[in-house]
Amino acid sequence: KQEVTQIPAALSVPEGENLVLNCSFTDSAIYNLQWFRQDPGKGLTSLLLIQSSQREQTSGRLNASLDKSSGRSTLYIAASQPGDSATYLCAVIGSAGGTSYGKLTFGQGTILTVHP
Amino acid sequence: GAGVSQSPSNKVTEKGKDVELRCDPISGHTALYWYRQSLGQGLEFLIYFQGNSAPDKSGLPSDRFSAERTGGSVSTLTIQRTQQEDSAVYLCASSLSSVIDEQFFGPGTRLTVL
Repeated sequence: KQEVTQIPAALSVPEGENLVLNCSFTDSAIYNLQWFRQDPGKGLTSLLLIQSSQREQTSGRLNASLDKSSGRSTLYIAASQPGDSATYLCAVIGSAGGTSYGKLTFGQGTILTVHP
Repeated sequence: GAGVSQSPSNKVTEKGKDVELRCDPISGHTALYWYRQSLGQGLEFLIYFQGNSAPDKSGLPSDRFSAERTGGSVSTLTIQRTQQEDSAVYLCASSLSSVIDEQFFGPGTRLTVL
């Protein structure tokens, strides 16, 4: 059974810092990995999608990397802002023959607070 | 363009009643997913539709839960004889054509069973 772990569970930083969120998964048979943010009481907003054949994806101040063989991904946020405060979720979708084919398996999330 | 929409946004019901939750996916998206988010369990997969068929129902927690999709678009998740442990936020997502595509989520329905 696929398991996804995110570290740290919570992070509080001053505005302007660069930061790294970590995600690990136990079954490397994945199609892709997706990073989301969730604001309190809201749904999930997709940030980045990395296909299993890719190493990284970038969108604005966000950069996500994927090391499929070691079962790890990192989300790098540059020059953090108070508006970045949210819960960040990592999820993988399993490939055929894997333990989580066709469905996103989520980590428990990292709660990020960026204070002015 | 319009995103995934869900209704109602909030639903309060009494234990033992049936509820129906609705999801409208992004137009043209053929894959549709239901997930549940609760405090103790995090985000968990419930069911996946490809067109009108559901190749994977493995996540449905009990036979009180069912879902259907008609016309390859709107989906309804039905919970019969609701229990207090069914209280959660039910999230719907859609993707363009298959499981490898990016999933886009709706705002969710918050279900409270008294």
